[in-house]
Amino acid sequence: QKEVEQDPGPLSVPEGAIVSLNCTYSNSAFQYFMWYRQYSRKGPELLMYTYSSGNKEDGRFTAQVDKSSKYISLFIRDSQPSDSATYLCAMMGGNEKLTFGTGTRLTIIP
Amino acid sequence: GAVVSQHPSWVICKSGTSVKIECRSLDFQATTMFWYRQFPKQSLMLMATSNEGSKATYEQGVEKDKFLINHASLTLSTLTVTSAHPEDSSFYICSASGHYGDTQYFGPGTRLTVL
Repeated sequence: QKEVEQDPGPLSVPEGAIVSLNCTYSNSAFQYFMWYRQYSRKGPELLMYTYSSGNKEDGRFTAQVDKSSKYISLFIRDSQPSDSATYLCAMMGGNEKLTFGTGTRLTIIP
Repeated sequence: GAVVSQHPSWVICKSGTSVKIECRSLDFQATTMFWYRQFPKQSLMLMATSNEGSKATYEQGVEKDKFLINHASLTLSTLTVTSAHPEDSSFYICSASGHYGDTQYFGPGTRLTVL
């Protein structure tokens, strides 16, 4: 079993829809949770970072962490074509190393 | 804030030559930097962890004599691919650890093509 599981997609939704991206994990040592966005042929860009259970909102993005269920989510409201990218969940314990999900490729259809 | 740059963004070289890739944290100091490689449609694979002023720690299966890492200052780490071969062609990405060591900021990546 992988430490982090992420639905690889691909996922296609119409512009303006709400997008839900999800990851589950098995390692209880993970303390920090991140979502990165990666455009083709570019490095990952940090979108959201959180370390506690609950919701964190930043503009159209909401990150949700449920440590009891070992489940994290990223919601994108009012999705735009520019949101089309691969989204990576990532987690970190105490050793500064990131463990990534496999990434979900998202396409927003105009 | 938290900007990481890489140079070059794209390099083509002949088989057998060496290539150096630079990774810089532009607006913060990074005691720890990381080097990843990524193949098409795959996730990032950690190659090594680089700490300023000390030897890099390589992941299992990564040849330390082939992928030389130097972290000479708090804002610069370099990766040198020695005697490059076509199978080394890949997308190389560096990252720098945040101030509290609880996240990583990534560079834009370097695409290496070995002919």
